Amino acid sequence: AQTVTQSQPEMSVQEAETVTLSCTYDTSESDYYLFWYKQPPSRQMILVIRQEAYKQQNATENRFSVNFQKAAKSFSLKISDSQLGDAAMYFCAYRSAQETSGSRLTFGEGTQLTVNP
Amino acid sequence: EPEVTQTPSHQVTQMGQEVILRCVPISNHLYFYWYRQILGQKVEFLVSFYNNEISEKSEIFDDQFSVERPDGSNFTLKIRSTKLEDSAMYFCASRVQIYEQYFGPGTRLTVT
Repeated sequence: AQTVTQSQPEMSVQEAETVTLSCTYDTSESDYYLFWYKQPPSRQMILVIRQEAYKQQNATENRFSVNFQKAAKSFSLKISDSQLGDAAMYFCAYRSAQETSGSRLTFGEGTQLTVNP
Repeated sequence: EPEVTQTPSHQVTQMGQEVILRCVPISNHLYFYWYRQILGQKVEFLVSFYNNEISEKSEIFDDQFSVERPDGSNFTLKIRSTKLEDSAMYFCASRVQIYEQYFGPGTRLTVT
């Protein structure tokens, strides 16, 4: 079974600065997807960014980028120019690319990000 | 932009009662999911649904739970006899093909 681990329960960053959230995962599969979801106080789950395992290039979405290290099974999220609205719980998630293996998302424990003005 | 919707936003029920949580997935999506999040904990998978049948379920999804797509648009989660430990946020999600799942805003279930 796949597992996802986020070792930082809490992180803080000054507004306009950069912060990196860590995520590691364990799988025996070679083809899969990784995601970062944001959960603000409203508790809505919002997709931030997606990475396909077969792609070597790291995904980028505006101020959000990932550092995907497949061999190390590491998938960190970098938030540049942090804004107050970035304050939220961030979850790393894994999904197999094989439909026969199921398409559930497996989530990490989450990292609570505080942005200080 | 199309969204997944869920009703009600908050449901309070007494232990032993049946509850039905409702979801309307994005209209062209084919895969549907229920997840739950106990307060302060991570999001856990309950069940996935495709082509009008359950495609996968977790160990949490026991005989007390059932899902249904009664009319081609709604997707429901029923808990037959609620327990205190069923208190959680329940999220519905849907996806169209191989990529990301889109989540609804959740239903907060409180069992007293």
